[in-house]
Amino acid sequence: GDSVTQMEGPVTLSEEAFLTINCTYTATGYPSLFWYVQYPGEGLQLLLKATKADDKGSNKGFEATYRKETTSFHLEKGSVQVSDSAVYFCAHDTSGTYKYIFGTGTRLKVLA
Amino acid sequence: EPEVTQTPSHQVTQMGQEVILRCVPISNHLYFYWYRQILGQKVEFLVSFYNNEISEKSEIFDDQFSVERPDGSNFTLKIRSTKLEDSAMYFCASSETSGRGNEQFFGPGTRLTVL
Repeated sequence: GDSVTQMEGPVTLSEEAFLTINCTYTATGYPSLFWYVQYPGEGLQLLLKATKADDKGSNKGFEATYRKETTSFHLEKGSVQVSDSAVYFCAHDTSGTYKYIFGTGTRLKVLA
Repeated sequence: EPEVTQTPSHQVTQMGQEVILRCVPISNHLYFYWYRQILGQKVEFLVSFYNNEISEKSEIFDDQFSVERPDGSNFTLKIRSTKLEDSAMYFCASSETSGRGNEQFFGPGTRLTVL
């Protein structure tokens, strides 16, 4: 069935380090892919999305490329800040239904 | 910026009790959803709601669960007789449209603890 697998957290980095959070998916058809971020005490906010193969979503210095051949949508940022500390969720929509399929979330902690 | 709100932020209840989790979706949105996340596990879809009826539900959403839009602004999830395994974070979401690539907007969640 449909699923999303994210790397286990927590991920702890120093400020200005390079970030990669891996995400792979299993889906029927050609889903749209999403990264959501949850800051402490807040809801899940859409960070970026891509709707077809080879699309790159980007926002706030974060990027992810829709790789159909490897069924992946890895999140990257060149230089993280303390304010990026949050939980990051990878998700995809599903063909013919209303639901999203989420991963477990990856907690990122950035130290000054 | 419009946002989805949820109350309460944390609910503690005894096993067997009924709980109602409340959500106020974004005002011009037409599609509403509930998801939950058991600690350490994936965020799971429970139900979607459109035009005053359930449009889709998961196998988790059994007869113990119900949803309602009692007025023009609230969207509620009721668990009739809570079990220990219902302890989880419950997220409400809404979207303007459905279909491929649509963005679902999520609330901050209600943490439900069943003792």
